[in-house]
Amino acid sequence: SQQGEEDPQALSIQEGENATMNCSYKTSINNLQWYRQNSGRGLVHLILIRSNEREKHSGRLRVTLDTSKKSSSLLITASRAADTASYFCATDDSNYQLIWGAGTKLIIKP
Amino acid sequence: SQTIHQWPATLVQPVGSPLSLECTVEGTSNPNLYWYRQAAGRGLQLLFYSVGIGQISSEVPQNLSASRPQDRQFILSSKKLLLSDSGFYLCAAGGGDWRSSYNEQFFGPGTRLTVL
Repeated sequence: SQQGEEDPQALSIQEGENATMNCSYKTSINNLQWYRQNSGRGLVHLILIRSNEREKHSGRLRVTLDTSKKSSSLLITASRAADTASYFCATDDSNYQLIWGAGTKLIIKP
Repeated sequence: SQTIHQWPATLVQPVGSPLSLECTVEGTSNPNLYWYRQAAGRGLQLLFYSVGIGQISSEVPQNLSASRPQDRQFILSSKKLLLSDSGFYLCAAGGGDWRSSYNEQFFGPGTRLTVL
């Protein structure tokens, strides 16, 4: 079953602006991951944040995690055309499965 | 480094025909393997996962089946395709020697299946 829900479903911004996507989940987690999927391609792992972490950075990516609200956000700063993709959050399952959200489609306009 | 191979990249099959999609993994041993289906513009639906040779768990009842004849080979099959089987099929691997990265998953390039 789908646990993570991203919002918005779609986001269109100008190149250079920041993009923020959110993910909510329902049950306790060990970690939360963000993935990117370019159109028609496989998913690529971006960043993992553990349940005892509140914020994590990787290059232009910033992820926050609020376990009290069961939510996470992914911020992409200074967006580029190459950031156009769908972004998915995934939370872990006790059986080492990942529970996936429906994704946010991000479009960066030149 | 780990690499996930999937083929074919695209496939057009008539309704009622059989299906065989293959996934192979390089760079690790004893991975957990996954088959997902993704409808256009949607998230991932887990179809099958395997924690070892011959061990298959099905998440969604359907006319698809999976097999793992070797440690790093995962096959998705159908005896008779339905129109509703159209979609983008992704193979993924996690765990195994990569368990130090928690349960991060690594994906193949996917197979676009169109059933006509």
